[in-house]
Amino acid sequence: GAGVSQSPSNKVTEKGKDVELRCDPISGHTALYWYRQSLGQGLEFLIYFQGNSAPDKSGLPSDRFSAERTGGSVSTLTIQRTQQEDSAVYLCASSSRGSSGRGPPREQFFGPGTRLTVL
Amino acid sequence: ELKVEQNPLFLSMQEGKNYTIYCNYSTTSDRLYWYRQDPGKSLESLFVLLSNGAVKQEGRLMASLDTKARLSTLHITAAVHDLSATYFCAVGINTNAGKSTFGDGTTLTVKP
Repeated sequence: GAGVSQSPSNKVTEKGKDVELRCDPISGHTALYWYRQSLGQGLEFLIYFQGNSAPDKSGLPSDRFSAERTGGSVSTLTIQRTQQEDSAVYLCASSSRGSSGRGPPREQFFGPGTRLTVL
Repeated sequence: ELKVEQNPLFLSMQEGKNYTIYCNYSTTSDRLYWYRQDPGKSLESLFVLLSNGAVKQEGRLMASLDTKARLSTLHITAAVHDLSATYFCAVGINTNAGKSTFGDGTTLTVKP
């Protein structure tokens, strides 16, 4: 079946511009995550959506970053007034809780990422 | 705040050798995951460990979990070049929350 998809795969923008990154999770997955990975670094958690619950925004680095998830499916990560330090690969992942809908979340399935370069 | 520490961060080993990667975490957890990332690629899931004493094996990789010690290990047996990648462990807390905290990753290079 289809995995997690992200678009665009690459985005080059000028400092100060706004960008939108899109994530299509695996159908039926209730949880969706956004991470940021700088070159040669680990994963930095940004935001987490679980079903209809309020999102966990604790990882967003500044108020220039926001994300929404429409209809419990597609998510958009928006970065306003981009800065050069925003350059990174932005990874989206989704997970389920298994057929019962309860219990600990299963492993996360990651999309291919969007490589953002801010000039 | 949950902290996850992996060591070593960089590992260079010869084909045919064995080695272990360690993942320590600071808070009681009920689940631990291992992921692999090839250069320029995204992450793929390797193992899901959900209970104390859990052991999972796939090919030359074996993962285990000791929740009392707050430690997971990823053991590599008779390494081959194809295992060269970065390996991340991720720890979750609270059964009802999906968020996991990732370690910094261990970059493994297997040389002939």
